[in-house]
Amino acid sequence: EIVLTQSPGTLSLSPGERATLSCRASQSVSRNYLAWYQQKPGQAPRLLIYGASSRATGIPDRFSGSGSGTDFTLTISRLEPEDFAVYYCQQYGSSPLTFGGGTKVEIK
Amino acid sequence: QVQLVESGGGVVQPGRSLRLSCAASGFTFSSYGMHWVRQAPGKGLEWVARIWYDGSHEEYADSVKGRFTISRDNSKNTLYLQMNSLRAEDTAVYYCAKHPSAYDYFDYWGQGTLVTVSS
Repeated sequence: EIVLTQSPGTLSLSPGERATLSCRASQSVSRNYLAWYQQKPGQAPRLLIYGASSRATGIPDRFSGSGSGTDFTLTISRLEPEDFAVYYCQQYGSSPLTFGGGTKVEIK
Repeated sequence: QVQLVESGGGVVQPGRSLRLSCAASGFTFSSYGMHWVRQAPGKGLEWVARIWYDGSHEEYADSVKGRFTISRDNSKNTLYLQMNSLRAEDTAVYYCAKHPSAYDYFDYWGQGTLVTVSS
């Protein structure tokens, strides 16, 4: 099973700042099959990024994904008020499918 | 537009059973694999089970293998999760989720249904 470790656990930033979230895998993620999701309180997760760097439909271009192998990054270039949420990475290159523990982006 | 609506959650005693349903609309249900993902209160996401588009193959997380069964009725556009021998640690919001063709990430999610296992 691939274990995904997200860091930091909490990121305290102000609107307009840049957010950099990390997702590290215990072994190489096959074909960089890594996705990112955003979840707000009381809501279902929303797909942001798939294939490590492809934005899902309707996702603003301030969200970008990068990385390969075992190290992946989600970057939010300029935080908008609606971006404060919890973010999860997920690998789908091997079974079982696994998620990281999440990074909470909170208002400083 | 794609809609996934879960139902069937509630409070159940340890050792008892519960069946969740997920009604799908807005896409050709019979063409896509489907999943259940759960989230314990205040915790992260955990993949539970998946089923191929035609129901011919299922896969489960070790934590539920032998106790949970995923199934689907393509004539009713509905996904199911039969949960037996429930434990306190199965308490969670259960989401059904769709994946796009050939890739196991989740492009659409339902709103979730809460299952509480407690005596």
